[in-house]
Amino acid sequence: DTAVSQTPKYLVTQMGNDKSIKCEQNLGHDTMYWYKQDSKKFLKIMFSYNNKELIINETVPNRFSPKSPDKAHLNLHINSLELGDSAVYFCASSSRGATYEQYFGPGTRLTVT
Amino acid sequence: DAKTTQPNSMESNEEEPVHLPCNHSTISGTDYIHWYRQLPSQGPEYVIHGLTSNVNNRMASLAIAEDRKSSTLILHRATLRDAAVYYCILRLRGSQGNLIFGKGTKLSVKP
Repeated sequence: DTAVSQTPKYLVTQMGNDKSIKCEQNLGHDTMYWYKQDSKKFLKIMFSYNNKELIINETVPNRFSPKSPDKAHLNLHINSLELGDSAVYFCASSSRGATYEQYFGPGTRLTVT
Repeated sequence: DAKTTQPNSMESNEEEPVHLPCNHSTISGTDYIHWYRQLPSQGPEYVIHGLTSNVNNRMASLAIAEDRKSSTLILHRATLRDAAVYYCILRLRGSQGNLIFGKGTKLSVKP
């Protein structure tokens, strides 16, 4: 059983398009996250959701919007894609709090042409 | 979150112990020390965490200095599968839980 899954694994699209990445966790966690890893391999937090409430929103363009239909899912919608959005996006989940480990998905490699 | 400093890269031989250092001189009393690793083309993976005492689990050991300004992740017998980037991260107790990743240490394991 995959703990945290993401679809699609690869996504190639053109500038200006709108796309979504799906994430699901079957661990019963109450908090989910989205991270972005750029070409220089830096991992940065984008969003986290707890009980359907956005509790962290770093300096991310409002073209990016997380949507959580339920506790097990946190999807990432991206509007008007730009070249600089090309990166690997990781979904993660955990129980809330600093002592709990996060479980990461396999990543979605987004390429914007 | 307080900052951590790690060497950019380290090398090890297979089946030998590896000690990965991390400096966190500005750590506060309520910061937990977490270690994650990222294998090539995979998402980060939790390794271990601790607060003050040394910790052991099936993957590794975490040795924390008495003043908590540094810590060392110990892999007792490195395998080729342990080749990865290792991240030392401080997390504030009571924080929302997001991880602030630094550059990490790229560990190479030679057969």
